[in-house]
Amino acid sequence: DSGVTQTPKHLITATGQRVTLRCSPRSGDLSVYWYQQSLDQGLQFLIQYYNGEERAKGNILERFSAQQFPDLHSELNLSSLELGDSALYFCASSVGGRGSEQYFGPGTRLTVT
Amino acid sequence: AQSVSQHNHHVILSEAASLELGCNYSYGGTVNLFWYVQYPGQHLQLLLKYFSGDPLVKGIKGFEAEFIKSKFSFNLRKPSVQWSDTAEYFCAVNARGSQGNLIFGKGTKLSVKP
Repeated sequence: DSGVTQTPKHLITATGQRVTLRCSPRSGDLSVYWYQQSLDQGLQFLIQYYNGEERAKGNILERFSAQQFPDLHSELNLSSLELGDSALYFCASSVGGRGSEQYFGPGTRLTVT
Repeated sequence: AQSVSQHNHHVILSEAASLELGCNYSYGGTVNLFWYVQYPGQHLQLLLKYFSGDPLVKGIKGFEAEFIKSKFSFNLRKPSVQWSDTAEYFCAVNARGSQGNLIFGKGTKLSVKP
């Protein structure tokens, strides 16, 4: 157990819908990262927050957005869902924002039908 | 842009065989390097990391990796694998001075036959 929690574990929804994935970092960690894991693209970085502020953006679609709240938990919002958004979404946390090792949560498996 | 290449997509070994998984990265500056393992149905776990110093780093579960700067490589090794090492292994790099996000290789699936 890494100390990073993610809910829900599984999510099945229809195309065009909107979902919210939630992540709670390890106690004391200020940085939260979101990654998408799919069979064709592998593990890809989406976005990073540090102490409530966006710090880095990766291959995140405009339909996707995220935020980090004052209690440091983070939410990833996915809207206008397409079949190709089906993937495992991982959250990771680290103490700092630069070069610290990251601890991963169990992931949320999203299936879009 | 940074990239990470893992040469083997799927490796099949018998128990007690030695393991070496290749990882090469593409980046001109200084990097931090990581190996993560993902057991079936589980989350990613950190096996080992290299930030600086001794290029031979030891991790958990008997794994080690060697950073060879001239070859831009960070290969993972284990002298004798066990059935419980069956998992997917990911090499990742983070550019020193960046915000910390990891660039991952495509992963190598290891199957160990009992």
